[in-house]
Amino acid sequence: GENVEQHPSTLSVQEGDSAVIKCTYSDSASNYFPWYKQELGKRPQLIIDIRSNVGEKKDQRIAVTLNKTAKHFSLHITETQPEDSAVYFCAGSNSGYSTLTFGKGTMLLVSP
Amino acid sequence: EAQVTQNPRYLITVTGKKLTVTCSQNMNHEYMSWYRQDPGLGLRQIYYSMNVEVTDKGDVPEGYKVSRKEKRNFPLILESPSPNQTSLYFCASSPYPGTLAAFFGQGTRLTVV
Repeated sequence: GENVEQHPSTLSVQEGDSAVIKCTYSDSASNYFPWYKQELGKRPQLIIDIRSNVGEKKDQRIAVTLNKTAKHFSLHITETQPEDSAVYFCAGSNSGYSTLTFGKGTMLLVSP
Repeated sequence: EAQVTQNPRYLITVTGKKLTVTCSQNMNHEYMSWYRQDPGLGLRQIYYSMNVEVTDKGDVPEGYKVSRKEKRNFPLILESPSPNQTSLYFCASSPYPGTLAAFFGQGTRLTVV
């Protein structure tokens, strides 16, 4: 099955800096890659996703890039704010677009 | 309000006592799924359903059952719970095709003693 690895496990930045979280996947036929934000004690929230026919997608301060050749995708957060502090999870679907495998998460801490 | 509702939010039970965690969505979504979340392991998919009467195993299905008799409901059944099933459980729903887990329920914290 699909294997998704996520790095780093923790990331500390100063407010206003950029943050980048990277994930790699094993199944070259995977075609859907969502990202989730989970604040402490809350449910995961889908924040952005990308499909294998797209190289980059942006939504205000967040963007996701996908490199199919290298089998990795990344989340970029610009102009970070303290409210961006949370655990972020990447995920990848299987080739049949029916299951979802998550990375182990990155705890992002944005200091004022 | 569009939502995914899980019940109960918290549950403490004893080994071997059958239990059901309910999940209901009001968005007419085709795809529903269950996950467990454990420290250091992230979220792992237990079961998923692509529509009524269509269910299949995720990565960690052992010890769990599901059913999808109606589009809005997707209960998770633990017929003989064991302590290693102590975890935080999330249900999610999505339109399909589209995303696979767009909306999550509020979570159920299960403790098996």
